[in-house]
Amino acid sequence: DIQMTQSPSSLSASVGDRVTITCQASQDISNFLNWYQQKPGKAPKLLIFDASNLETGVPSRFSGSGSGTDFTFTISSLQPEDIATYYCQQYDNLPITFGQGTRLEIK
Amino acid sequence: EVQLVESGGGLVQPGGSLRLSCAASGFTFGSFAMSWVRQAPGRGLEWVSAVSGSGDTTYYADSVKGRFTISRDNSKNTVYLHMNTLRAEDTAVYYCAKDSTIVAANWFDPWGQGTLVTVSS
Repeated sequence: DIQMTQSPSSLSASVGDRVTITCQASQDISNFLNWYQQKPGKAPKLLIFDASNLETGVPSRFSGSGSGTDFTFTISSLQPEDIATYYCQQYDNLPITFGQGTRLEIK
Repeated sequence: EVQLVESGGGLVQPGGSLRLSCAASGFTFGSFAMSWVRQAPGRGLEWVSAVSGSGDTTYYADSVKGRFTISRDNSKNTVYLHMNTLRAEDTAVYYCAKDSTIVAANWFDPWGQGTLVTVSS
């Protein structure tokens, strides 16, 4: 199975800050990498697919980059409503695997 | 609007069985693969199973292979997860999710609200 390692596991930042989360795959997954946002008590929501494509309706402050084994998710200017846990997910090989999540809090 | 509504969760004893359902609306159901993803209390996301749009092809995580069966009824716009020989470690919120293509599994959008399965004596 492909292991997905996210860092950090938790993060505290101020409104307006630039926030970056990284995701590393245990083997080359090309750009088959997606990012989800999960707010407390809610289902996950797709934000980014194929490493860098913004899902329709998702604010442009969210972005993704990377290929191969190293990927980055960025919020350019943190907003209060961005408080959530963020997950990366690979689909290069089954089984589909997720990172362990990054819990984002407001400082 | 695409909607997915899960049902069938509840409390079951270890070794017992349960069938989850996910009713879909707002899209051409048979044109998309569907998956089940679970989340144990306070834990991360774990992909469980997927079925192609036609229902001909199914995939499972090793943790559930041989115990769970995914199926779909395209005439009812519903996907099912039949869970047998349940264990305490199967306790989780189970989400169904629409895949991005007819062949599983790519990215998931949207997800249902989830249904809680608790395995305990």
